[in-house]
Amino acid sequence: DAGVIQSPRHEVTEMGQEVTLRCKPISGHNSLFWYRQTMMRGLELLIYFNNNVPIDDSGMPEDRFSAKMPNASFSTLKIQPSEPRDSAVYFCASTFGLANTGELFFGEGSRLTVL
Amino acid sequence: SQKIEQNSEALNIQEGKTATLTCNYTNYSPAYLQWYRQDPGRGPVFLLLIRENEKEKRKERLKVTFDTTLKQSLFHITASQPADSATYLCAPKADNNAGNMLTFGGGTRLMVKP
Repeated sequence: DAGVIQSPRHEVTEMGQEVTLRCKPISGHNSLFWYRQTMMRGLELLIYFNNNVPIDDSGMPEDRFSAKMPNASFSTLKIQPSEPRDSAVYFCASTFGLANTGELFFGEGSRLTVL
Repeated sequence: SQKIEQNSEALNIQEGKTATLTCNYTNYSPAYLQWYRQDPGRGPVFLLLIRENEKEKRKERLKVTFDTTLKQSLFHITASQPADSATYLCAPKADNNAGNMLTFGGGTRLMVKP
């Protein structure tokens, strides 16, 4: 069984460029989460979707960040324009259900470096 | 505001000893609490879940306790091995907010020396 798949694993870009991170959740899961991890702030929830609908995006830092989930098997997190302070590891996670106690399944992350 | 505290300093122990990691929370009434393991360069992996009405949960060499009075969870690894070296994250979850949103503590890095 394939886990959560993220791409790219590593991205190095220059300030001002657009960055798009991609995620394929586990088949059958209907909740998808985007987290950001840095040494200073730890693992922060950015946004989460249920049945492809954004439920809570209060963690999205600013308008430069946007996320979409056009179908049950694909989500993107876009940063435009990128800034050096966006450098972090971005994780996607999925699970089944809206209000259950199920574990989150994380992808391996996309390490973003903005120069 | 809600706060989750884990010891940010690394915990160094000798192989074979019991490792104990602490997760404290404030301004929270979690219905359950999850523990995850994260290896360098990898995503977190779920280990255990304990509910508010459970005092203790075990899984192989792992044991988790949950004290809602102290607002604390302890995570124990008995007979620790170098392969247990990783960062361990706790995530308390309140039942009163919608959905599966999990907020994580900063994690504690465990180093088990042979």
